[in-house]
Order: sequence, then C-alpha cells, then structure tokens
Amino acid sequence: SQELEQSPQSLIVQEGKNLTINCTSSKTLYGLYWYKQKYGEGLIFLMMLQKGGEEKSHEKITAKLDEKKQQSSLHITASQPSHAGIYLCGAEPGGSNYKLTFGKGTLLTVNP
Amino acid sequence: ETGVTQTPRHLVMGMTNKKSLKCEQHLGHNAMYWYKQSAKKPLELMFVYSLEERVENNSVPSRFSPECPNSSHLFLHLHTLQPEDSALYLCASSQRTATDTQYFGPGTRLTVL
Repeated sequence: SQELEQSPQSLIVQEGKNLTINCTSSKTLYGLYWYKQKYGEGLIFLMMLQKGGEEKSHEKITAKLDEKKQQSSLHITASQPSHAGIYLCGAEPGGSNYKLTFGKGTLLTVNP
Repeated sequence: ETGVTQTPRHLVMGMTNKKSLKCEQHLGHNAMYWYKQSAKKPLELMFVYSLEERVENNSVPSRFSPECPNSSHLFLHLHTLQPEDSALYLCASSQRTATDTQYFGPGTRLTVL
C-alpha cells in the first residue's frame, strides 16, 4: 500500500518568514492533494496537483509536484498567524480513484 | 467548507451506549465518506458510498454501522464501542468517486469512556 511521509512533523516560524513542507510518496503519484486542518476540525481543501512539474498557487501558498521524485512541496511565503494549522497531503494510489492515502500531517505554528 | 455539516460536534459515550453520527452535504455530490482520525496516525478511510451504495468497507469492526439513506445524508451508527475508538470522525463528500476533490465536514470528536 502507498505511504506518504511528511516532513517536518512540526515547524515553528516567525511571522513573515518563508517555509516549505514536503510530502514524499512510497509509490508513483497519480494525484496529490493538500489540505489544511485547524486542530480538532475538518480539512480545508487547498489545491490538487496531477501532472509532473505542475505548480499551483493560492494566495501566498504554492505547491509543486515532482513526479520523478514522487514528492510534492508546499511553500508559504511571508507566513502569517492565519497560516497556522496542520497541513496534510493526500494521494491517489493508481487504480483506486477515491481511496486517498494521507500523510500524518505537519503542524505549523507561526509566532507573531 | 461549510457545504458539509456534521452533528454532534462532540460526543461522550459509555461502552454500552448506542449513538449515531450524522453528516449532511449541501453540494449536490454523489459520493460520501467516513474517515477516522486518531492522534499521531494518518487519516483512515472507513466507508465510501457512491449513489447511496456502499462501495468500500475498509475492514472496519461491525460495531460501526454506516447508513446512507440518500445522496445528501450519511450516518454512522455506533454500539458497544471501545475506548480505543475515541477519535475525530470526519465525513467528506465528492461529486463522484472518480478523481474528484473530497470536501470535509468539521468532524465529531468522540470520546468512549
């Protein structure tokens, strides 16, 4: 079965700093989702990447997909306290189009 | 995503109780999902319904019983749970099950005493 490893597990940054979160898959990536979760709440969809080399942006958050490395990165520019939360990546195993596998998440804290 | 609502938001129950979790989606989607999120573990898919038919039962114990009476509503009936079942239970929906983005509800925080 596919496994997703996220790094780092947790991250504390000063407001205004840039940061990157990585998601590495044990198998080929067919689709990669990024979600954000506030503690104890539901997941908020951020973006989905499907093609190798694809890059998408939403406000100050940019995600890229590197198919060869079986990896995706999420980059936040000029972080703000509102960016704090848990970032989860989810991926579609080949042949199972709805059975998303998720990483354990990266806890981001942004200090004002 | 306010299109998916869940009730109750918090639930405390004893091991002999019977309770139900409710999920409702207002997005016109045809697929609905139950996930379990435990501390320090990845999100675990429990059940998937597509057009009110169960298409996935991910080796979930029978003390969890899902019900999907129509494409907008999903229930999770709970009975004789164990303390290790304490977790955040998340409902999600998508347009179809084929490569469509899943939108999540706020979750029900369940504590089993």
